[in-house]
Amino acid sequence: KNEVEQSPQNLTAQEGEFITINCSYSVGISALHWLQQHPGGGIVSLFMLSSGKKKHGRLIATINIQEKHSSLHITASHPRDSAVYICAVVKNTDKLIFGTGTRLQVFP
Amino acid sequence: EADIYQTPRYLVIGTGKKITLECSQTMGHDKMYWYQQDPGMELHLIHYSYGVNSTEKGDLSSESTVSRIRTEHFPLTLESARPSHTSQYLCASSEFNSLENTFGSGTRLTVV
Repeated sequence: KNEVEQSPQNLTAQEGEFITINCSYSVGISALHWLQQHPGGGIVSLFMLSSGKKKHGRLIATINIQEKHSSLHITASHPRDSAVYICAVVKNTDKLIFGTGTRLQVFP
Repeated sequence: EADIYQTPRYLVIGTGKKITLECSQTMGHDKMYWYQQDPGMELHLIHYSYGVNSTEKGDLSSESTVSRIRTEHFPLTLESARPSHTSQYLCASSEFNSLENTFGSGTRLTVV
C-alpha cells in the first residue's frame, strides 16, 4: 500500500465546474505539497501546506493533520487546468513521497 | 521562468551508450535531487545531494550515478543505457533549511 494515496485517479469535467482532488497519507509529515504536471513533464509547485488552508487564484488547498488528509479544489475550472495533479508529503526527513497523481481533463 | 534547467528535454538513444543528463540551478540551492518517474507511476527519489562533494542514493535503487562538483550543477550519468532505463528523470532543488522544492522540466529518456 502506498504511503500517499490520491483519488480519483482520473477526472473529467466541463469548463466552469468545481473540482476536488483528495490526498490521504499514512505517515507522519512535516509538510504536504500539491504539484501540477503538464503533458511535457515539467512540474510546477502549487502549494506547500503544513496546516490549514491556502488560496491562490482559483486554487484552494486544505489540510487536516489529524485526519492525514488534504484536498485541492479548483473553482471555475478551465481547459488550461488540464494536467496531472500530484500530492507529495515531506516525511520527518526532507525527502518527498509522491502519490500517483490525478489526471484531470477539463472540456470546453 | 525556470530557475532550474534540465537538458536534454527528450533523448532517444541506443542500448549500451553512455549518457549524461544535465541539471543546473541558478538559485544557489544547497540541496538537489533526482527523481525517476516510469509511465503512469509515481515519482521516486534516486539520488540527492546536500552540497558540493555530497551525494547519496535515494529510496529507489538506480544504476545511474551522480556528481556534485559545483553547487549549481548536478548531472546524472548512465554508463551503459538499457531499455529498462526508459523513464522520465526530474531534477529538483531546495534551500538547505527549506521544505519547498523547485522542479525542472524533466528529461524523457527512451533507450531502444
